[in-house]
Amino acid sequence: DGGITQSPKYLFRKEGQNVTLSCEQNLNHDAMYWYRQDPGQGLRLIYYSQIVNDFQKGDIAEGYSVSREKKESFPLTVTSAQKNPTAFYLCASSITRYNEQFFGPGTRLTVL
Amino acid sequence: AQKITQTQPGMFVQEKEAVTLDCTYDTSDPSYGLFWYKQPSSGEMIFLIYQGSYDQQNATEGRYSLNFQKARKSANLVISASQLGDSAMYFCAMRAYENTGTASKLTFGTGTRLQVTL
Repeated sequence: DGGITQSPKYLFRKEGQNVTLSCEQNLNHDAMYWYRQDPGQGLRLIYYSQIVNDFQKGDIAEGYSVSREKKESFPLTVTSAQKNPTAFYLCASSITRYNEQFFGPGTRLTVL
Repeated sequence: AQKITQTQPGMFVQEKEAVTLDCTYDTSDPSYGLFWYKQPSSGEMIFLIYQGSYDQQNATEGRYSLNFQKARKSANLVISASQLGDSAMYFCAMRAYENTGTASKLTFGTGTRLQVTL
């Protein structure tokens, strides 16, 4: 089945630790995205990638980093520099940047 | 800059009735697209419907239709014959196309929580 997978579903982290969230897609989509969702809010764009080995900052990139070494994979690292990392993180992909985006099931990150 | 406004934090509708979820937008870009997503309690975002700014007709997808009024900058979602499974958060989003730097970005509203009752 084609789709987007994110792991883990729930993640707990101690303050000061870096943590990496996984996002994989087998839809052969060129573009991939990371969003953050806080309670009662819409989604905000963290980073996006239109093609392998290329990515751009979104609206709230500070404290995050990404890589795009393979078309299928777009991992997000939440660094210790991110002041309020507790949130729900959603990964998405689209055929090109102009098409509708399809989302994974999300990862809920809690900083203890 | 693009902005999406959803003024209804919560809505109730009886099963089998129709409901309209409001969305207004603001952009200076002449070419843009409008999207509606559904987010059930499980958290994933489900794409429902798309309307392009130059589309002549309102978009429809099954029980979903988009009431697009360009002059009023509104893109309301209409769900006909509501079902219990329609209970979820609904988000309106927009993408502008002219500026290649922002073409990848979806700007989301704060959402409307719909509750379908018996």
